[in-house]
Amino acid sequence: DQQVKQNSPSLSVQEGRISILNCDYTNSMFDYFLWYKKYPAEGPTFLISISSIKDKNEDGRFTVFLNKSAKHLSLHIVPSQPGDSAVYFCAASATGNQFYFGTGTSLTVIP
Amino acid sequence: DARVTQTPRHKVTEMGQEVTMRCQPILGHNTVFWYRQTMMQGLELLAYFRNRAPLDDSGMPKDRFSAEMPDATLATLKIQPSEPRDSAVYFCASGPSLLQETQYFGPGTRLLVL
Repeated sequence: DQQVKQNSPSLSVQEGRISILNCDYTNSMFDYFLWYKKYPAEGPTFLISISSIKDKNEDGRFTVFLNKSAKHLSLHIVPSQPGDSAVYFCAASATGNQFYFGTGTSLTVIP
Repeated sequence: DARVTQTPRHKVTEMGQEVTMRCQPILGHNTVFWYRQTMMQGLELLAYFRNRAPLDDSGMPKDRFSAEMPDATLATLKIQPSEPRDSAVYFCASGPSLLQETQYFGPGTRLLVL
């Protein structure tokens, strides 16, 4: 049973607009969350993280929001650029334990 | 530019055959992770090592999968016998610690079992 779910397999956004990628989790013990970005024929690369003691973490154009009560996190990319076109994975863990990954969302940024 | 390398990049084999996937971690990294990516499950952790010692392989089907680190420059993942449901992309990642965000992923081995 998937403990981390990314219900949107794909998303298309115009260049310059905001991209919002969503992730839901079921395990209330999860307290650390990561987002990865993956280009075709390459391995995933770490993008941004957030701990459950925060509800927002920002790094340049990328912001992750965490809603613990809803067991939901989202990644916002503003403004979106064509180079952001990739598959995005979210991952979650309970401290000291393994990470569980979602199935990914394929983002296409249209020039 | 240090990178994790994986060989082969692609493998097509028939059901029942042995498959060996190899990973060369980044020099100096003491942790190695093996993952499998499928459309249905996303990325799944299969096993991981620290200082060449297996720490956890609970994600692997024990009867057919095995993971080893013969030396610090080589990690292997073997499937024997392979089955069509093993078709997936297998990633190796290495890092200087167990912190997930410090892991560098290789490009993956795309396996197709017919």
